[in-house]
Amino acid sequence: KQEVTQIPAALSVPEGENLVLNCSFTDSAIYNLQWFRQDPGKGLTSLLLIQSSQREQTSGRLNASLDKSSGRSTLYIAASQPGDSATYLCAAFDSNYQLIWGAGTKLIIKP
Amino acid sequence: GAVVSQHPSRVICKSGTSVKIECRSLDFQATTMFWYRQFPKQSLMLMATSNEGSKATYEQGVEKDKFLINHASLTLSTLTVTSAHPEDSSFYICSAPDRVSGNTIYFGEGSWLTVV
Repeated sequence: KQEVTQIPAALSVPEGENLVLNCSFTDSAIYNLQWFRQDPGKGLTSLLLIQSSQREQTSGRLNASLDKSSGRSTLYIAASQPGDSATYLCAAFDSNYQLIWGAGTKLIIKP
Repeated sequence: GAVVSQHPSRVICKSGTSVKIECRSLDFQATTMFWYRQFPKQSLMLMATSNEGSKATYEQGVEKDKFLINHASLTLSTLTVTSAHPEDSSFYICSAPDRVSGNTIYFGEGSWLTVV
């Protein structure tokens, strides 16, 4: 059974720093892996989608990587800003066509 | 513990019929429920936000008369796809924050809809 884990559960960094959020999954047979952000009281915002055949995706200051062999994905945020404060979630579409979610990393960027 | 139970996990329906997807919150009250749709190889997209006892708020481009959302109780929200067409075939998933536990988000297992 696929399990998705996100470390750390919470992270607080000063504004301007680069940071990495981690996501690991137990079964490498995934179709894609996605990163989302969630702001309090709001729905998910899709950030990046990496197909199983891809190694990374970039959007602005965000870069997500995928290493299926090691069961890991990372979300790199460059030059962090207070507006980046949110909960970041990763989810893997597994071989049973189910979306398996990590518990999220709560990110706080201090001005 | 708190979970969101979603069913059916898979459903096949004929074109022109309606199908209902249910999401139930277990061990917590879901005052808000988010409904998402994901087409193959595309990102998960928010369709609508429902709040218990009030009308749902739909995202731009989502037909509210086609995707009926009912959130009549604190533990149950339903999405009904009316007059389904093959292009409605997709993966639908719900999520709800648990306000008591600091807005921890719980996701349903998702529902695969195939319209034939």
